[in-house]
Amino acid sequence: AQTVTQSQPEMSVQEAETVTLSCTYDTSESDYYLFWYKQPPSRQMILVIRQEAYKQQNATENRFSVNFQKAAKSFSLKISDSQLGDAAMYFCAYSRGQNFVFGPGTRLSVLP
Amino acid sequence: EAQVTQNPRYLITVTGKKLTVTCSQNMNHEYMSWYRQDPGLGLRQIYYSMNVEVTDKGDVPEGYKVSRKEKRNFPLILESPSPNQTSLYFCASSPNSGFYGYTFGSGTRLTVV
Repeated sequence: AQTVTQSQPEMSVQEAETVTLSCTYDTSESDYYLFWYKQPPSRQMILVIRQEAYKQQNATENRFSVNFQKAAKSFSLKISDSQLGDAAMYFCAYSRGQNFVFGPGTRLSVLP
Repeated sequence: EAQVTQNPRYLITVTGKKLTVTCSQNMNHEYMSWYRQDPGLGLRQIYYSMNVEVTDKGDVPEGYKVSRKEKRNFPLILESPSPNQTSLYFCASSPNSGFYGYTFGSGTRLTVV
């Protein structure tokens, strides 16, 4: 079964600085999708960014970008110019077919 | 507004008292799923459905039931809740099971005493 690992239970970043959240996954498939979801204190799950495994180009959404290393099975999220509103739990997720697996999450604090 | 509506938002119940958490989506999505979220474990899939009358077990199905009689609705049923089912529950839907990711409901905080 596929697994997703986030090795950093908690992280903090100074406002306006850059932070990178790590994610690794285990799969024997070559075609799949990867996601980062944000869960603020409101507990709503918000899709931040998506990566298709067959695309080598790293996905970018405004201040959010990923570093996708397919061979290493690594999918890190970089948040640039961090804002107070970025404080949340961040979940990495793997998807293929009916299989949609989440990591344990990283709690990000943003310090003013 | 395109959304997944989940009710109730909070629920406190006693051990053994049957309950249902409702989930409805207005996006005509074929794929729906239930997750539970526990600290340090992330979200774990309970059940999923790929279309009407098609449901299958996820990673933690014990103690739960689901049904998909209509495309828009996917209720989660706890026939005899126990304290270890105290958790945060999410319903989610997707046009398919991969590319678009999920749209989530706002969650149900369930406490079983």
